[in-house]
Amino acid sequence: GESVGLHLPTLSVQEGDNSIINCAYSNSASDYFIWYKQESGKGPQFIIDIRSNMDKRQGQRVTVLLNKTVKHLSLQIAATQPGDSAVYFCAENTGSQGNLIFGKGTKLSVKP
Amino acid sequence: GAVVSQHPSWVICKSGTSVKIECRSLDFQATTMFWYRQFPKQSLMLMATSNEGSKATYEQGVEKDKFLINHASLTLSTLTVTSAHPEDSSFYICSASQPRGRYTEAFFGQGTRLTVV
Repeated sequence: GESVGLHLPTLSVQEGDNSIINCAYSNSASDYFIWYKQESGKGPQFIIDIRSNMDKRQGQRVTVLLNKTVKHLSLQIAATQPGDSAVYFCAENTGSQGNLIFGKGTKLSVKP
Repeated sequence: GAVVSQHPSWVICKSGTSVKIECRSLDFQATTMFWYRQFPKQSLMLMATSNEGSKATYEQGVEKDKFLINHASLTLSTLTVTSAHPEDSSFYICSASQPRGRYTEAFFGQGTRLTVV
């Protein structure tokens, strides 16, 4: 899996702009990927998922893109709002039981 | 989605004492639960996989005698931090998995902030 850094990368965006958060995953055999949002002092909250047989999936204001060739995931948030400020993690499902390997995380900061 | 409740949400204990954290799946049965640990500004690190009725599977580097896991029922798993020391201070998060067809979906508790003084 990926190494864990001591400092989360930060993405700062203006309210109303679109945000793009990137993630590289480690296991080419992973077939299910999830994006989570984590607010300070809380557990991760499910945002959107994607199976490996897809390369794009859209939700409400969010889109996930999967590029299996380079093992890359991205999360796009449209019209970013202050309430979107949080740390975002991608996770890959590596086992049939649902155990997840989390990426490093990106802190999204939305400026009003 | 399914609800996973974790208790307590925070705890402060003295060095050398033991602390128990509970993880409950409220509206579904979870044969498998997971325990994660998260240090400030870092990602979640899987500590162990807890299977109902059997011994937990620990990740490399996690001391099974220090972090005791019990999964006695399909809705409850507990993590006991034994002889806690300040370096055990961290945010502990559990998740419970539920099959979704071919895939398995994970639902997370709200986390427990442990501070050892």
